[in-house]
Amino acid sequence: DIQMTQSPSSVSASVGDRVTITCRASQGISSWLAWYQQKPGKAPKLLIYAASSLQSGVPSRFSGSGSGTDFTLTISSLQPEDFATYYCQQANSFPTFGPGTKVDIK
Amino acid sequence: QVQLQESGPGLVKPSETLSLTCTVSGGSISSYYWSWIRQPPGKGLEWIGYIYYSGSTNYNPSLKSRVTISVDTSKNQFSLKLSSVTAADTAVYYCARTNGYCSSTSCRGYMDVWGKGTTVTVSS
Repeated sequence: DIQMTQSPSSVSASVGDRVTITCRASQGISSWLAWYQQKPGKAPKLLIYAASSLQSGVPSRFSGSGSGTDFTLTISSLQPEDFATYYCQQANSFPTFGPGTKVDIK
Repeated sequence: QVQLQESGPGLVKPSETLSLTCTVSGGSISSYYWSWIRQPPGKGLEWIGYIYYSGSTNYNPSLKSRVTISVDTSKNQFSLKLSSVTAADTAVYYCARTNGYCSSTSCRGYMDVWGKGTTVTVSS
């Protein structure tokens, strides 16, 4: 199995802040990586796929980068609706997810 | 737009079989892969397995011995069976459309449409 780690596990931020979340794969996965946003009691929502492609309908303040083993999700200017937990998922082999990063209000 | 809805018992006894169905509406089940994912209370996401509309499947190796996923294209549904359940199988179960390509050795896809999820508790 390819193991995924995320850092930090949680981050406190204010509206308007720039937030960066890191995801690392235990082996190279090229650009086979997605990011999801999950709010309490809701299903995850696909934000980014293929490491840097923005899913249709997702605001442009979300961006992804990276390849190989190291990836980042950046929210350029945090909005109130962005407080949520974010998961990365590798798609190089059978899907595995990172443990999540909770973004909460400072 | 495509919508997914999970259905099935919310309570299953230990050692019994968990059975869930996902109904696809607003689009055809054909030409896509379809996955089941679960999330134990307060924990992260675990992919259970996928099925293609043709019936080809593959499963998470950690669950493979207990999982069966099937499809009924006439009803635009696919289903999950998980046998010999224990309390560790208590979770919210999601069905999701998997956009990409899956094979016997990999599933290069992303879950772009999700159901709302259904909570399954394993308890006597």
